[in-house]
Amino acid sequence: GAVVSQHPSWVICKSGTSVKIECRSLDFQATTMFWYRQFPKQSLMLMATSNEGSKATYEQGVEKDKFLINHASLTLSTLTVTSAHPEDSSFYICSAITYSSYNEQFFGPGTRLTVL
Amino acid sequence: DAKTTQPPSMDCAEGRAANLPCNHSTISGNEYVYWYRQIHSQGPQYIIHGLKNNETNEMASLIITEDRKSSTLILPHATLRDTAVYYCIVRVGNNYGQNFVFGPGTRLSVLP
Repeated sequence: GAVVSQHPSWVICKSGTSVKIECRSLDFQATTMFWYRQFPKQSLMLMATSNEGSKATYEQGVEKDKFLINHASLTLSTLTVTSAHPEDSSFYICSAITYSSYNEQFFGPGTRLTVL
Repeated sequence: DAKTTQPPSMDCAEGRAANLPCNHSTISGNEYVYWYRQIHSQGPQYIIHGLKNNETNEMASLIITEDRKSSTLILPHATLRDTAVYYCIVRVGNNYGQNFVFGPGTRLSVLP
């Protein structure tokens, strides 16, 4: 089946620094990728939808200048948390779909961000 | 997309069948029923999906009522590794680019 990877799997950073999270589709071309955030004991919440070669579409309440998303190729999307603060500590998960199997969404393993 | 209702938690004895219900009374004719699960600190894992017929794969069976207003995910022989949060999602099947909306799900605990 289709595989999505994320890097890093976990990261700890100081408040005020920026952190980049990579999401890669390993064996398929992902025309659309989604970024989710999940706080402890809560469900996944969609942050943004990213289409290759175009600007991401952000959900209401998600600051586009704080969560920078780049989807420059069909196999890579990045999420950069700029000027991170402790309240940004969360589990970030990406997913991907492709034209040939848009009925199914393939999820990455997630990235645990802790901001001190 | 239609909203789903699931019990917040369930227990199941190891080796027994786990039956997880989901209500989706406002489902539309072109909406599929999907099931994903999330093991602690991992990304969601696809289990199964269906439109109106019952479906079975190597992981589970999906039983959809004739009026499609509810469904049941069946794990035939639950193991400790099946302990996870199970999400029932309804979504238009051919709506390319549409994300999956996750509710709170059912936390299944498989007990030894």
